[in-house]
Amino acid sequence: DQQVKQNSPSLSVQEGRISILNCDYTNSMFDYFLWYKKYPAEGPTFLISISSIKDKNEDGRFTVFLNKSAKHLSLHIVPSQPGDSAVYFCAASPGGGADGLTFGKGTHLIIQP
Amino acid sequence: ETGVTQTPRHLVMGMTNKKSLKCEQHLGHNAMYWYKQSAKKPLELMFVYSLEERVENNSVPSRFSPECPNSSHLFLHLHTLQPEDSALYLCASSQITVGELFFGEGSRLTVL
Repeated sequence: DQQVKQNSPSLSVQEGRISILNCDYTNSMFDYFLWYKKYPAEGPTFLISISSIKDKNEDGRFTVFLNKSAKHLSLHIVPSQPGDSAVYFCAASPGGGADGLTFGKGTHLIIQP
Repeated sequence: ETGVTQTPRHLVMGMTNKKSLKCEQHLGHNAMYWYKQSAKKPLELMFVYSLEERVENNSVPSRFSPECPNSSHLFLHLHTLQPEDSALYLCASSQITVGELFFGEGSRLTVL
């Protein structure tokens, strides 16, 4: 039973446009959400997070939106750049601790020139 | 060195071999983790060590044996593995109360 779902295995976006990556969760106890980015042959790196007390968190070109009632979050990248091509993992945790993180399968974002 | 380092980066072993994966973190964190990443699957948490004590073992087969001698080092001992154990094994560290994990680059394991 997958508690964190990323239903799009891949997404192709033109350079300069907005990339929107989606994530759904089923566990109502999740209250802390993170996005990780992974390049081939490297480990995932933390990108941005959001607590359930907020509905939006912004960091430069990256914004994460949280819709608690829909149990849905999304990552927006504006404008998309070639270096953004990577696999993006959504993760969620109850209570904010790293030991309770549950990951999605990831979405492979491809930025086309 | 900085961050989380894993060795070896690549490992090929037969089903009867015994090998170990090593992880070292230079971030002063107090929790360390082993994750498994298989193709088209989510990252799977295998083991968690908090303050050098194992706090979680997610039904991992006994052919995987973790060891955490101190807060900076973590090992994964491998014995009598199966071909389906071939995967990328990721080590991570964190401060216990903070949700952000710092990952190593992973050890790509192939079991023949």
